[in-house]
Amino acid sequence: DSGVTQTPKHLITATGQRVTLRCSPRSGDLSVYWYQQSLDQGLQFLIQYYNGEERAKGNILERFSAQQFPDLHSELNLSSLELGDSALYFCASSVAEAGGTNYYEQYFGPGTRLTVT
Amino acid sequence: AQSVTQPDIHITVSEGASLELRCNYSYGATPYLFWYVQSPGQGLQLLLKYFSGDTLVQGIKGFEAEFKRSQSSFNLRKPSVHWSDAAEYFCAVFSGGYNKLIFGAGTRLAVHP
Repeated sequence: DSGVTQTPKHLITATGQRVTLRCSPRSGDLSVYWYQQSLDQGLQFLIQYYNGEERAKGNILERFSAQQFPDLHSELNLSSLELGDSALYFCASSVAEAGGTNYYEQYFGPGTRLTVT
Repeated sequence: AQSVTQPDIHITVSEGASLELRCNYSYGATPYLFWYVQSPGQGLQLLLKYFSGDTLVQGIKGFEAEFKRSQSSFNLRKPSVHWSDAAEYFCAVFSGGYNKLIFGAGTRLAVHP
């Protein structure tokens, strides 16, 4: 158990709908990362938040957004869902205090499997 | 461009045999390298990491990896594989410029009894 929790574990929804995925980082970790894992794209970085602020953006669609709250949990919002959005969505956390090597270590949650029908 | 290549998509070994999973990276600066394992239906578990210093790093579950700068490689090894090692293995490099991990495509390991 990495200490990172994600809910829900599974989500089935229809095209055009909107869903919210939730992540709680490890205790003490300030940084949250979101990744998407799909069969055709592999593991792709979506976005990073550090202590409530967006720090880095990857291949995240405009239909997707995220935020990190004062208690450090994060939510990934996916809207106008398409069949191609079906994937496993991972949240990872790290200490993210630059200057120590543990800054680079990311610990992953169990993921949320999204199925769009 | 920064990238990670895992040349082997599938590998099958017999239980008790040795294992080597290959990983090559492309990164301009000193790389921070990782191996993760993903069991079916599970998240990614960090096996080991390389930041600097000794090029042979030890990880959990009896795994080790060797960093070879001249070959841009970070191969994962285990002397004797157990049936429970069957999983997918991902090599990754941390991209400091983008604050993200760049993953290889993964190698799926099957273990025959």
